[in-house]
Amino acid sequence: DVKVTQSSRYLVKRTGEKVFLECVQDMDHENMFWYRQDPGLGLRLIYFSYDVKMKEKGDIPEGYSVSREKKERFSLILESASTNQTSMYLCASSLLGGGDPSGANVLTFGAGSRLTVL
Amino acid sequence: GQNIDQPTEMTATEGAIVQINCTYQTSGFNGLFWYQQHAGEAPTFLSYNVLDGLEEKGRFSSFLSRSKGYSYLLLKELQMKDSASYLCDLTTSGTYKYIFGTGTRLKVLA
Repeated sequence: DVKVTQSSRYLVKRTGEKVFLECVQDMDHENMFWYRQDPGLGLRLIYFSYDVKMKEKGDIPEGYSVSREKKERFSLILESASTNQTSMYLCASSLLGGGDPSGANVLTFGAGSRLTVL
Repeated sequence: GQNIDQPTEMTATEGAIVQINCTYQTSGFNGLFWYQQHAGEAPTFLSYNVLDGLEEKGRFSSFLSRSKGYSYLLLKELQMKDSASYLCDLTTSGTYKYIFGTGTRLKVLA
């Protein structure tokens, strides 16, 4: 089974701190994604990557950056954390992208990182 | 752009059947996924439809009508452990993106 591991389940940070959220997948998936999940808003895409060193903005990239130096690792960076970034952050990966019709594009999610910014 | 709509909350009784609807608007439809998410846990894949019709997987079935922009997830013989949120997820051709609805929180009562 594909495993997606997020380094921290719970974090508490202060406003203005730099925050790193790490995500590692172990099945050689091409695509990796960062979502945030908030009550009533569902899953919103922050950034995604379809290859090493490639990244694309999602729907809410402001205040975030990402890094994908190796295929298995996709990091989300909050350069200067703010209270409105308090949320559950979910990393996911897929073998192929969402536009592929073969069905090999099922997302596998990590357990999530709950970030609180004070 | 894309738009997905699903009910916020539903309640059903153990042993019953429940249908969770999802309507969407998009161009270049590719596929529609359903995920289950228990409180505090990661979403897990349930079902996937590319073509019109019904896909059955044990107690869970998913239906798609592309012409109507409509899908539903059918859960039979409900169990208490089915209490969870159910996420409708749309993919479109030519993009890597997955677009999620806000999720339907299902409560199963004894």
